[in-house]
Amino acid sequence: TQLLEQSPQFLSIQEGENLTVYCNSSSVFSSLQWYRQEPGEGPVLLVTVVTGGEVKKLKRLTFQFGDARKDSSLHITAAQTGDTGLYLCAGVRGGSNYKLTFGKGTLLTVNP
Amino acid sequence: SQTIHQWPATLVQPVGSPLSLECTVEGTSNPNLYWYRQAAGRGLQLLFYSVGIGQISSEVPQNLSASRPQDRQFILSSKKLLLSDSGFYLCAWSPDRVHSGNTIYFGEGSWLTVV
Repeated sequence: TQLLEQSPQFLSIQEGENLTVYCNSSSVFSSLQWYRQEPGEGPVLLVTVVTGGEVKKLKRLTFQFGDARKDSSLHITAAQTGDTGLYLCAGVRGGSNYKLTFGKGTLLTVNP
Repeated sequence: SQTIHQWPATLVQPVGSPLSLECTVEGTSNPNLYWYRQAAGRGLQLLFYSVGIGQISSEVPQNLSASRPQDRQFILSSKKLLLSDSGFYLCAWSPDRVHSGNTIYFGEGSWLTVV
């Protein structure tokens, strides 16, 4: 059973389009993190959300943590080819202070 | 600033051969250290984590082991590799507990192909 479900698994869009990817769970997380990974490299942290209902913006990226802290979304406005990559969400459950659980990721391709 | 390095970057090993992947962290002390495996470019599976020298926690039963001989050194090993051990292995560190948003920083990764 996958603790964190990410959707869609694959997304191919044209440059300039908007998109939203989702990270859902039946469990409550004390925090959720979003990473972006390029082929052959380690994931790089984009943002951490901690408070239920929290919204964080990073340039064209908007991250939201669900009120119940069970889900999160990432919205990209006016996608660029440089946004191409694997987007991973990862969460920390209460009591698991050292362990980050990852979803399987959304592979985004932005075409010129 | 802190840096993390792991090596080798790529490795092709025959079935039944031993494995040793090494990871070191610079610029910090007493980090939490992690080994993750990523199959087919997808989600990461936590294999081991360590909160101190000689303290290793294993997350899944497997053909691998980990050791932390020094504060900032983490080693992933196997005595006899299986085909199913192939994958992308990532070492990572965090300054403290990841609870409440402390960040995990990843190394460059090591590609292991068992043939």
